[in-house]
Amino acid sequence: DAGVIQSPRHEVTEMGQEVTLRCKPISGHDYLFWYRQTMMRGLELLIYFNNNVPIDDSGMPEDRFSAKMPNASFSTLKIQPSEPRDSAVYFCASSLADSEAFFGQGTRLTVV
Amino acid sequence: AQKVTQAQTEISVVEKEDVTLDCVYETRDTTYYLFWYKQPPSGELVFLIRRNSFDEQNEISGRYSWNFQKSTSSFNFTITASQVVDSAVYFCALSDSPGTSGTYKYIFGTGTRLKVLA
Repeated sequence: DAGVIQSPRHEVTEMGQEVTLRCKPISGHDYLFWYRQTMMRGLELLIYFNNNVPIDDSGMPEDRFSAKMPNASFSTLKIQPSEPRDSAVYFCASSLADSEAFFGQGTRLTVV
Repeated sequence: AQKVTQAQTEISVVEKEDVTLDCVYETRDTTYYLFWYKQPPSGELVFLIRRNSFDEQNEISGRYSWNFQKSTSSFNFTITASQVVDSAVYFCALSDSPGTSGTYKYIFGTGTRLKVLA
C-alpha cells in the first residue's frame, strides 16, 4: 500500500511568493493532519480534517496560512505571502478514527 | 496543560549496546494515550507503539521494549542490542482520549537523536 504522499519534497521560494504544499492521504483514512517541524518549536499540529471538513485550525499560525481538502484523496496547505520564518518541514499525516497517524516524508520549505 | 519532555537531546552508542530513551509526560487527564515514533534519515515519522493510560503492562516487540510507569509519569523506550539501522530521531507523544473528536491530537516531545556507531 502506498503511504501518505507529499509533494514537493523540497521547495525553495523567495519571500513574498505563494507556496502550495500537497498531500495525498492513505486511501480510506478519514482524518488528515498538517504538522510543522522546526528546531525552535518542534512538531506542532497546524490543522486537521475529518471527512474533508476542517475540524480544528487553532494551530495555524497566521492568516497567511490556509488549508483545503477538496476531496478524500487530496489536501493542500498554502502560504501567501511566504516569509523566511515559515521555513520548516511540513508533514501531512492521515489516520482512521481512534487510530494512530501515518506520516508522509514531509516537504522541506526554505523561504529566502 | 499537557507536556512531553525528552531530556536526552542526543545519545551515541556502539552497536550491540542496549540504550534507553527517556520520556516524561504531564497531563491532568485520567484517560490518555502515549506513543513513540521513529524518524529515520529519510524523514517520515514511523509509528512504533501506542499505549493507553489504563494499561501499565510493559511491552516487548523484538529488540524494542517499553516501560510505562504512571507513578513517575514516564514511558521509556529501550532498544536491546542496538544496530546501525536504529540510528534515527525518536519522538514520544501524548494525546488525550479521542472522545468526540474521534482522533488523537499529538503533543510531541522534542525528540532524542540516537546514533549507533558500527
